[in-house]
Amino acid sequence: DVQLLESGGGLVQPGGSLRLSCAASGFMFNTYAMNWVRQAPGKGLEWVSAIDLRYSNDPDTHYADSVKGRFTISIDYSKNTVDLQMNSLRVEDTALYYCASSGTNGFWVWGQGTTVTVSS
Amino acid sequence: DIQMTQSPSSLSASVGDRVTITCRTSQAIRNDLGWYQQKPGKAPKRLIYGAFNLQSGVPSRFSGSGSGTEFTLTITNLQPEDFATYFCLQHGSFPYTFGQGTKLEIK
Repeated sequence: DVQLLESGGGLVQPGGSLRLSCAASGFMFNTYAMNWVRQAPGKGLEWVSAIDLRYSNDPDTHYADSVKGRFTISIDYSKNTVDLQMNSLRVEDTALYYCASSGTNGFWVWGQGTTVTVSS
Repeated sequence: DIQMTQSPSSLSASVGDRVTITCRTSQAIRNDLGWYQQKPGKAPKRLIYGAFNLQSGVPSRFSGSGSGTEFTLTITNLQPEDFATYFCLQHGSFPYTFGQGTKLEIK
């Protein structure tokens, strides 16, 4: 079965750091781009970051302006995961974070999400 | 950035009805637009890709249309399991952007 499983969420104080991981199974994740998308409580969806593994051994990375300079997306080939390192966290980063795989036809598989709460 | 304007934000309908949800983009995009369904506590599920292609396994009462800056999701013969939140997503250029969502409720 094709599956994405996020982990690493939790409670962190403002200014703190957290590292999310997304484990892919059932497909070759390096033939797609991988994304992080978040949903704040009671709000809509916000794309956060993407890493494109399809065309180069040096993947392209992209970030929303709201997280640029604070978040870093990367691949851990030894664990077959896509990670999101989140630094300088703010209260407004509180959200359910989804991992999603995308290709030419868009976002085709999503994980169930991991919750990040930034609060003092 | 491409801004997405989705309407309506909420919709009340009955089983058997036909409903239409629209997404307008701030600039013309190719067909790099998908429609998704989300139920409470669940991950989004793709319904339509490439603006009008039905995802495998999705009932044919769902359809997508449009081009340029206006795209539409139509659901005919609404079923009880269709009451959920729907949103569009453009993945043609970064930053990818979502519509604000449409909550479809039972009348």
